[in-house]
Amino acid sequence: GENVEQHPSTLSVQEGDSAVIKCTYSDSASNYFPWYKQELGKGPQLIIDIRSNVGEKKDQRIAVTLNKTAKHFSLHITETQPEDSAVYFCAARDTGRRALTFGSGTRLQVQP
Amino acid sequence: EAQVTQNPRYLITVTGKKLTVTCSQNMNHEYMSWYRQDPGLGLRQIYYSMNVEVTDKGDVPEGYKVSRKEKRNFPLILESPSPNQTSLYFCASSPLPGSSNQPQHFGDGTRLSIL
Repeated sequence: GENVEQHPSTLSVQEGDSAVIKCTYSDSASNYFPWYKQELGKGPQLIIDIRSNVGEKKDQRIAVTLNKTAKHFSLHITETQPEDSAVYFCAARDTGRRALTFGSGTRLQVQP
Repeated sequence: EAQVTQNPRYLITVTGKKLTVTCSQNMNHEYMSWYRQDPGLGLRQIYYSMNVEVTDKGDVPEGYKVSRKEKRNFPLILESPSPNQTSLYFCASSPLPGSSNQPQHFGDGTRLSIL
């Protein structure tokens, strides 16, 4: 089955700086890679996703890049704000079971 | 408002006492799923359902049961809970996964403590 590794586990940045979270996956057949943001006491919320036929996708301050050859994808947040503080999860779709396999999460802290 | 609703949000109980966590979605989604979230392990899938009366095991199904008698509901059943099932549980739903790769919508979670 699919295996997703996520780094770093914690990340602290100053407000206005950029933050980058990286994930690698093992199943070369995976074709869908969403990113979720989880705030305290809430369920994960989709913030951006990318499909395997695209190398990069951007939505305002958030962007995701995908390198299919190396089997890794990254989340980039620019001009970080305190409200970006949360736990972020990457995931990959396991084409065998149609399930999402999640990374272990990154706790992002944006210091004002 | 489109949502996935879980109940209860918090539960403290004792080993061996059967419990059910309910999940309901109002988006007419075919696909529903249960995950557990543990520190350092992310979210791991317990069971999923492609449609009414169709359920299958995820990565960590031991000790859990599910049912899908109606499209909107997908309860998680712990017949004889044990302390290692203490965790944060999430229900999720989406249109049937396929080429469109629709995102999953998550509930706000149920924190279970088994003493």
